[in-house]
Amino acid sequence: DTEVTQTPKHLVMGMTNKKSLKCEQHMGHRAMYWYKQKAKKPPELMFVYSYEKLSINESVPSRFSPECPNSSLLNLHLHALQPEDSALYLCASSQDRRSSYNLPLHFGNGTRLTVT
Amino acid sequence: AQSVSQHNHHVILSEAASLELGCNYSYGGTVNLFWYVQYPGQHLQLLLKYFSGDPLVKGIKGFEAEFIKSKFSFNLRKPSVQWSDTAEYFCAGGSGTSYGKLTFGQGTILTVHP
Repeated sequence: DTEVTQTPKHLVMGMTNKKSLKCEQHMGHRAMYWYKQKAKKPPELMFVYSYEKLSINESVPSRFSPECPNSSLLNLHLHALQPEDSALYLCASSQDRRSSYNLPLHFGNGTRLTVT
Repeated sequence: AQSVSQHNHHVILSEAASLELGCNYSYGGTVNLFWYVQYPGQHLQLLLKYFSGDPLVKGIKGFEAEFIKSKFSFNLRKPSVQWSDTAEYFCAGGSGTSYGKLTFGQGTILTVHP
């Protein structure tokens, strides 16, 4: 089992809904990530948090809003999504991102999101 | 632009056959390379990683990979596959100066027949 826990496992939401994805890790990692994986495609980086501060935003639309309340938690707030946003959303963590030696990433099982 | 490419989309082998999955990267400077595996219904798991030093890297479950700088390659190998190796394999890379920003290859689905 992975040490990165994501909830919920599945989520169906309408285009006018507001929902949140949650991610938790207790490995003491200080870098946390959101990736998006469409069917039959590789994961694509969305956001990186380092020491609870947003350090990378890969030009993600504002309808996705990340939040890192503390070093163990990472949220992704969703609002006014489009059907094409349906995908598997993966959370990952690493020891930190200031040194490449502190990679690699530890992934959660993901949240399967369907936007109707 | 930095990129990682995997040559094979789907590889089908019989048990005990040898495996080699191709991965090429395009990065300038220092590069960090990884192979991840995703078993059906499970999360991405790290198989092995290369940062520097010995270009032949050994990972879990009998996998190894060789970093060949002149060929910009980081191919994954296993001398004898098992049915339980059926999974999707992703090569990923990051530059030495863009920590935490991994780019994944398209993935290779490996099917091993008993």
